Parts: sequence; structure tokens; C-alpha cells
Amino acid sequence: EVQLVESGGGLVQPGSPLKLSCAASGFTFSSNWLNWIRQAPGKGLEWVASINPDGSSTYYPDTVKGRFVVSKDNAKNTGYLQMNNLRSEDTAMYYCARRVVLQWHYFDYWGQGVMVTVSS
Amino acid sequence: DTVLTQSPALAVSPGERVTISCRASESVSTGMHWYQQKPGQQPKLLIYGASNLESGVPARFSGSGSGTDFTLTIDPVEADDTATYFCQQSWNDPFTFGSGTKLEIK
Repeated sequence: EVQLVESGGGLVQPGSPLKLSCAASGFTFSSNWLNWIRQAPGKGLEWVASINPDGSSTYYPDTVKGRFVVSKDNAKNTGYLQMNNLRSEDTAMYYCARRVVLQWHYFDYWGQGVMVTVSS
Repeated sequence: DTVLTQSPALAVSPGERVTISCRASESVSTGMHWYQQKPGQQPKLLIYGASNLESGVPARFSGSGSGTDFTLTIDPVEADDTATYFCQQSWNDPFTFGSGTKLEIK
């Protein structure tokens, strides 16, 4: 059974860093893209980071580029999202998700999410 | 960025047929996917590639469309389908999601 379990969320002050983890099981982690998607309270979904299977390439939207860093440790079956210089608008539930990369790219398994609150 | 526009909410009775629409600001070919999110849960993939049913998803769900106009259909609707439905495009960078359509079952 495919499982993705996020951890590391919490309440932090603006400007602080925070690192999220995503523990994967039930599939070959080293052969899959890892992605982070967030959802602000009561709002829609926003893709925030992707990393390719061997970790050699990373992708971000402009809203987080330069502040967020995605990585993965294939030996530990774990992905990470390092978030720096956090802002109030980064407050959201953060999901890690597996991406299918075939004719189309879509997210077939999601973790349960971890909440990040940025507030003074 | 490609903007995906969805109607905010719909209300239908059990047994009825419901269509949820998603309109893209530019063509996404068939790179459109649909997710269901129930309160307090993570999103769940329903449809990929505009019309392909994800394994394990009931055949009551179907998708159609290409280019800029897409539809998710549930027929017949059941009480358990109460949820918010999101579309997502993967044809243009960056990937974007619609704002969601909240489906209420009367």
C-alpha cells in the first residue's frame, strides 16, 4: 500500500525557517517524482515544489523560488521541503504527493498533510 | 500562468446527474485532471488525462473535454459524494489548480 506521511509542521514566526519531511512507503521511492502542494485555510491548492526521481532537478513556482528547497534521500525513502524566510502567506496545509509522469503529469497519491502557521 | 475557473458551489439530490465544469484561460490539450477532497482529508485523484478513470474510482464518475473546456460528471450522485472537486492542469508550466467546486447533496 502506497503511503506518504508528512511531519515537521508547526507555528513559526515570520522570517523563520522550517523543514518538512515526507516518509514514503509501499512503492519504489527512487523511481518517482516527489512533489509538495499546499492549501491555505479555506482556499484552493497550489503546487510549490517538485523534484525528479534521482534528485538532480528541482522545480518551483515564482511564489516560493529562492525561499523553498526540495530534496529527497532515496536511501531513507524520505523527501524534504526546506522553507526559509517564511511569510504569513505561507500559512497552509502542506501535502507531499507522488507524481505520475506518463503522457500527462498528475498526482496519484497524497499524504494526509501537515499544518504550517506563520505568525508573530 | 494558466488560470482554471470553476463554479464555487452546486447542490443536487441523490440519484441526480451533476456536471462540474472547469474552464482554462488557455489550451491545456487533454492535460486536465480531477480530484475529490472531503472535509479534513487530502485530495484523491478521480480522473486523469481529461477522461481516464483512476483505478478504484466508481464508474459513476466520468470526465470529458479538451482544449479549454472540461467537465466532471457524477451519475448518479450519492450522499457520500459531498466534497470539493478540484481540476488541475499539467500542460503548461507551472501546474495550476482550479479554486474548487463544493458539491452539496441535498
